[in-house]
Parts: sequence; C-alpha cells; structure tokens
Amino acid sequence: AQSVAQPEDQVNVAEGNPLTVKCTYSVSGNPYLFWYVQYPNRGLQFLLKYITGDNLVKGSYGFEAEFNKSQTSFHLKKPSALVSDSALYFCASSNDYKLSFGAGTTVTVRA
Amino acid sequence: SQTIHQWPATLVQPVGSPLSLECTVEGTSNPNLYWYRQAAGRGLQLLFYSVGIGQISSEVPQNLSASRPQDRQFILSSKKLLLSDSGFYLCAWSLWAGGPYEQYFGPGTRLTVT
Repeated sequence: AQSVAQPEDQVNVAEGNPLTVKCTYSVSGNPYLFWYVQYPNRGLQFLLKYITGDNLVKGSYGFEAEFNKSQTSFHLKKPSALVSDSALYFCASSNDYKLSFGAGTTVTVRA
Repeated sequence: SQTIHQWPATLVQPVGSPLSLECTVEGTSNPNLYWYRQAAGRGLQLLFYSVGIGQISSEVPQNLSASRPQDRQFILSSKKLLLSDSGFYLCAWSLWAGGPYEQYFGPGTRLTVT
C-alpha cells in the first residue's frame, strides 16, 4: 500500500523567509511522489515529482523537494517565500493508475 | 499542448434533482481520466477512474455514477442528488502507459445541493 502524510495543517511564514512543507511517505517498493498546489476555488496544479535519480527535485515557481529515503520524507521547499505562494499544498504518492493524496497543508505567507 | 475543461463552473441544485457534470480533454489520446470530490476545501476523494472508453472503476459506492462515451470525455452523473453530494468536483487526466505519471486537473465544478 502507498500513502503519504502531511503532519502540519498550517504553515505560516514571513515573505522572504524560507518555506518548508513537510510530507512523509509509507510505500512498498519504489516511492513515486508528487507535490501539487491549489489556489482558492481552483483545480490542483502540478509542481514536481520524484520517480528516481537525484534526491533534489526542482519544479515550477521556484519550488524544490528533497527526497530522503532514510527519513521516508519528501519535503517541499522554497528559499524565499512570496505572498502569492499562499495556498493549499498537497503531497501525493502513486499507486498503479491512482494517486493517494495527503490531507493538505495551508500555507500563509505574510507581507 | 493539452487542455482540460470542466463545466459548469458552479451549480446549485435541489435535493432529488439529477446531475450531469462534463469533462473533456484536448491535445492527447487515450488518457486516463479521474473524478475527485473535495469537501470543505481539504482532502481529495477519488470517486471514479477510467483507463479507456466504457471502462469505469468506482472507488467509493455512493449516489453517483460515471461514464466515458468518447475517448476524451468523462461524465459524472446522479439520478437524485443528496445534500451530502455538495462539494467541489475535480476532473483530472494523465498519460496512460509507462507511468507513473502526474495527473493534470481541470478548474473544477462547485456543486451546492439545497
């Protein structure tokens, strides 16, 4: 079975500070992991994915994620957060044709 | 490039009325298609997925059904809506072979059952 967990319901940061959104995974076999962002009343937007290879994955809008096998984590990071990064973030793992999503983390970036 | 459309964007329906939500994808062939429901702006619940025309898999037994009459068309239906059917409905597509692939989501339909 494949699942992910997002331990924080909410993350608050000041604009210009580093942003980290946490995700841990529990999978059998190779983990295939994804990050999505959702703005209010919009569909989810794909940010990045880890399939294999480099543990640091770069994605859209300046986001990156670090795959850590020993800690079974796939945290999303941005070196300098913007107010426009305020949104709902989802981590997901792939299971055959389907994705299993975490519960989501609301990010608020204050000016 | 690929595009996914959903309509209507918003819908207010009385309890007991029928429902039909439509999703179409452009720019790709034989995609995998998915219907999700999101309640209270949080978690996503996979309702149905389809790997081909006429092939529908149901994830959660409920008051809804899905159909795929054409390769790039996915329809979510109900004969009689319940209050609990209210939510934000999202359609998504992904490539079909050699995955795992990311899914791309449509803009969503906000359904309110009154």
